[in-house]
Amino acid sequence: DAEITQSPRHKITETGRQVTLACHQTWNHNNMFWYRQDLGHGLRLIHYSYGVQDTNKGEVSDGYSVSRSNTEDLPLTLESAASSQTSVYFCASSRGLPDTQYFGPGTRLTVL
Amino acid sequence: GIQVEQSPPDLILQEGANSTLRCNFSDSVNNLQWFHQNPWGQLINLFYIPSGTKQNGRLSATTVATERYSLLYISSSQTTDSGVYFCAVGGNTGKLIFGQGTTLQVKP
Repeated sequence: DAEITQSPRHKITETGRQVTLACHQTWNHNNMFWYRQDLGHGLRLIHYSYGVQDTNKGEVSDGYSVSRSNTEDLPLTLESAASSQTSVYFCASSRGLPDTQYFGPGTRLTVL
Repeated sequence: GIQVEQSPPDLILQEGANSTLRCNFSDSVNNLQWFHQNPWGQLINLFYIPSGTKQNGRLSATTVATERYSLLYISSSQTTDSGVYFCAVGGNTGKLIFGQGTTLQVKP
């Protein structure tokens, strides 16, 4: 079955380190999205991509970057992790625009 | 930007009861989705419903786009319905703005 996966599921890192969270989907969806979920803020959009080589900033993009070298993957990189980036990160994808978004299982990141 | 308000914030039901969750939004949208976040954190898409009515088993949803609200109905609730229900809205870009959610607890 087609699916969307994220890795790692849990990660603890230190302030200042570079961290990359992986997102992989097998639906062949062109559109992929990264959100973060925090208590009191709900889910907020970080970055998104409409296809290979396309990336766009979302609502809370400072300190994050993404790259899209193929259809299946959209890795999220924290250039220099900060404690404020402790959160649960979700990746999502959709076939069309607008269209149903399917979410991955999430990655819980703790920055100490 | 668009504001999304969900009500009630919290809801406790006995198993078998029915409930209605509401989502109000401040501007016109052509993308509205309902999600269920289960106690393990997984986000499941329930409906993509920018307008009209849809049903899926015990769940149904209605969006009245001209009046800027959507309703999610849960009938004959079960303990597995517990979790947080999110409404999310947006336009043709695919970007979603999420409400704060309704936390539902269904007691056996």
